[in-house]
Amino acid sequence: AQSVSQHNHHVILSEAASLELGCNYSYGGTVNLFWYVQYPGQHLQLLLKYFSGDPLVKGIKGFEAEFIKSKFSFNLRKPSVQWSDTAEYFCAVNADTGFQKLVFGTGTRLLVSP
Amino acid sequence: DTGVSQDPRHKITKRGQNVTFRCDPISEHNRLYWYRQTLGQGPEFLTYFQNEAQLEKSRLLSDRFSAERPKGSFSTLEIQRTEQGDSAMYLCASSPQPGQGGHPISYEQYFGPGTRLTVT
Repeated sequence: AQSVSQHNHHVILSEAASLELGCNYSYGGTVNLFWYVQYPGQHLQLLLKYFSGDPLVKGIKGFEAEFIKSKFSFNLRKPSVQWSDTAEYFCAVNADTGFQKLVFGTGTRLLVSP
Repeated sequence: DTGVSQDPRHKITKRGQNVTFRCDPISEHNRLYWYRQTLGQGPEFLTYFQNEAQLEKSRLLSDRFSAERPKGSFSTLEIQRTEQGDSAMYLCASSPQPGQGGHPISYEQYFGPGTRLTVT
């Protein structure tokens, strides 16, 4: 069965600090990888996604993530966070089998102080 | 551009009562998913429809849960004889068939705002 681990449950940063959120998954086959974000009071929104090709993917709002197949990882990064990045971030994976169930990690709650 | 909508947004019910939630997906999306999210956890898959056919159900979906998508458009999720453990956020998501309508092979799911259920 697929599973996703997010190592950081709570992260507190000051504005302009760099961000890296860890995500590891367990599945031996081809996967599609996602980061979703949930801003306070809002619904889940897609931040970025990886299906194939360049393992470094860029998303909205200056976020990027790197797929490292050998490490089963898909870490999220942002060089300089803003107060408006305060949100909960979820890593998700689905197996490339045609049935697109998403398996989510437990989420990382990011608080950016101004 | 209308997104996924869910109704109601909040539901408080007493233990043992039945509740029904509705999800309206993005109109051209033929795939629809239900997830459940409890505090401190990520969303967990419940069930999946392709058009009107329910193709997959999680073992989390006990016999008290039933979902339908009668005409391949909106979907309902019913919980019978609610229990306190059913308290959660119920999320609906939709996605297009990969390649459908010119969509790229993206597999992206678009989520609604959720229905927060509280069982007292």
